[in-house]
Amino acid sequence: AQSVTQPDIHITVSEGASLELRCNYSYGATPYLFWYVQSPGQGLQLLLKYFSGDTLVQGIKGFEAEFKRSQSSFNLRKPSVHWSDAAEYFCAVARWKDSSYKLIFGSGTRLLVRP
Amino acid sequence: EAGVTQFPSHSVIEKGQTVTLRCDPISGHDNLYWYRRVMGKEIKFLLHFVKESKQDESGMPNNRFLAERTGGTYSTLKVQPAELEDSGVYFCASSQAIPPSGANVLTFGAGSRLTVL
Repeated sequence: AQSVTQPDIHITVSEGASLELRCNYSYGATPYLFWYVQSPGQGLQLLLKYFSGDTLVQGIKGFEAEFKRSQSSFNLRKPSVHWSDAAEYFCAVARWKDSSYKLIFGSGTRLLVRP
Repeated sequence: EAGVTQFPSHSVIEKGQTVTLRCDPISGHDNLYWYRRVMGKEIKFLLHFVKESKQDESGMPNNRFLAERTGGTYSTLKVQPAELEDSGVYFCASSQAIPPSGANVLTFGAGSRLTVL
């Protein structure tokens, strides 16, 4: 069965420091992968997606993620974190079968930004 | 373009009462989804509509939950009677038609927080 693991429940970084959020997936075929962010009081916003092609994908707000098939990972990175990046981040893999489509989410990583 | 809209943003009810959550998808999106996040856990799929038809309702927890999508536009999710474990955030999402490749992007609403006391 498909699954997504985000091993870090909380991460704290200083403003201006680099960030890497880990995501590992389990999926039999080529996965379609997503990172979403939920800021306080907001809905889930798509940061970036990987469907095919270049394994390094660029997203909004200066985020990028790298798909590594050999490691079953899709880690999210940002070179310099801003205070406004404090939020909860969710990695997800798409599953579709017989016209049924769903996202399988990880449990999320809450990012705290230290001034 | 208006996004996915959900009402109410927060609902507090007593155990045994009924609550109805509403979702207005992006205009023209045939696909509408409901997801739920129970306290601190992962976001889980509840069901998927294609227009007014339920394509997949395998994630619905039990028969206290009823989802409808009249006329293929907005959708409602009713919980009757509500139990304590139903507390959480209910997200709605919509998307355009799913291409054969499965490359599909869901746009989520802000969620409806349900608290059952």
